[in-house]
Amino acid sequence: AAGVIQSPRHLIKEKRETATLKCYPIPRHDTVYWYQQGPGQDPQFLISFYEKMQSDKGSIPDRFSAQQFSDYHSELNMSSLELGDSALYFCASSLEGLGTKNIQYFGAGTRLSVL
Amino acid sequence: GQQVMQIPQYQHVQEGEDFTTYCNSSTTLSNIQWYKQRPGGHPVFLIQLVKSGEVKKQKRLTFQFGEAKKNSSLHITATQTTDVGTYFCAGYTSGTYKYIFGTGTRLKVLA
Repeated sequence: AAGVIQSPRHLIKEKRETATLKCYPIPRHDTVYWYQQGPGQDPQFLISFYEKMQSDKGSIPDRFSAQQFSDYHSELNMSSLELGDSALYFCASSLEGLGTKNIQYFGAGTRLSVL
Repeated sequence: GQQVMQIPQYQHVQEGEDFTTYCNSSTTLSNIQWYKQRPGGHPVFLIQLVKSGEVKKQKRLTFQFGEAKKNSSLHITATQTTDVGTYFCAGYTSGTYKYIFGTGTRLKVLA
């Protein structure tokens, strides 16, 4: 079965550079979530999209932006990178609604290292 | 803002012992999900609880949702080395479109 695809898997950037992370949800899933997970930390919710519209926002810095495209893939754009942005970034997709439709399926993540 | 706390933060058990992690939300939840994350891996969905007082079992794992829908627990009977990982609860509140993850419980099983 198709899973959530994230690219790239690893990314090394320098301070003040920009980065773009991509997420391809499971086919027919209409909701995408982005999370940031620091070492030994729990996943922190950044932002979510439902049917290509932003549905909720968490602790996402103003330097970050995201969107969901017509084919439902999503991109997280990060500018003016800081050392503290080094983390694992997960994307998850789901079918909106309660019950079994609301299960989040996570991608393998993008490990971002800012030097 | 909404917070979801888990205790304990760490737990080391001997193989064959039982293990329980508790999840407490500062707000009433619509539903709660449990995830397991292996070291170096991504969170993997285990189960979702929706009803007040709901209890679900998956082999050696028992999940409970509190009557007030503000707390939950995961109990593992007779742990095995394959149970190693971090267990997260994630709470969903009606009117939002986000899951708030708990702080996680890292389980180590000693053979």
